[in-house]
Amino acid sequence: KQEVTQIPAALSVPEGENLVLNCSFTDSAIYNLQWFRQDPGKGLTSLLLIQSSQREQTSGRLNASLDKSSGRSTLYIAASQPGDSATYLCAGGGADGLTFGKGTHLIIQP
Amino acid sequence: SQTIHQWPATLVQPVGSPLSLECTVEGTSNPNLYWYRQAAGRGLQLLFYSVGIGQISSEVPQNLSASRPQDRQFILSSKKLLLSDSGFYLCAWTPWGGAYEQYFGPGTRLTVT
Repeated sequence: KQEVTQIPAALSVPEGENLVLNCSFTDSAIYNLQWFRQDPGKGLTSLLLIQSSQREQTSGRLNASLDKSSGRSTLYIAASQPGDSATYLCAGGGADGLTFGKGTHLIIQP
Repeated sequence: SQTIHQWPATLVQPVGSPLSLECTVEGTSNPNLYWYRQAAGRGLQLLFYSVGIGQISSEVPQNLSASRPQDRQFILSSKKLLLSDSGFYLCAWTPWGGAYEQYFGPGTRLTVT
């Protein structure tokens, strides 16, 4: 059974810093790896999807990488802004659903 | 463009009462549909998924059930709610085949009292 772990559980940094969020998974046969953002009391917003044949995806200031052999994915946020404050979730899976980590609660200090 | 709706947005129900949460998707055909629950202090947990009308797979044994009466409609139900059913219920969809992004609805906050 797939297990997903996210480190750190919480992170507080000053505005402008570059930061890395980590995600590890136990089953290297992962199909998709998806990163989400969740604001308090809200649903999930998809940030990036890395399909099993891909190694990374980029969208604006966000870059996500996937290393299936080591069971790791990272989300890189460049030049962080207060509006980036949220919980970031990674999830792995396929057509039969996603397995989620518990998230990294990120606070960007103005 | 595709849109996913969930209702109600919030719900407070007594223990032992029935439950019906609805999810609909617009702008696509034959999507895969999913129900997840996010309980306080716990991660998101997959409850049910469906690859077509009347096809439901259950991931977690519980007193909840799901149905898909129409292609783009997914319903989560319970005959008798438990306190442990409280949580944030999220519906999601992906194009048929599952090789694409999952898109989530706004969620329903359920409090069982």
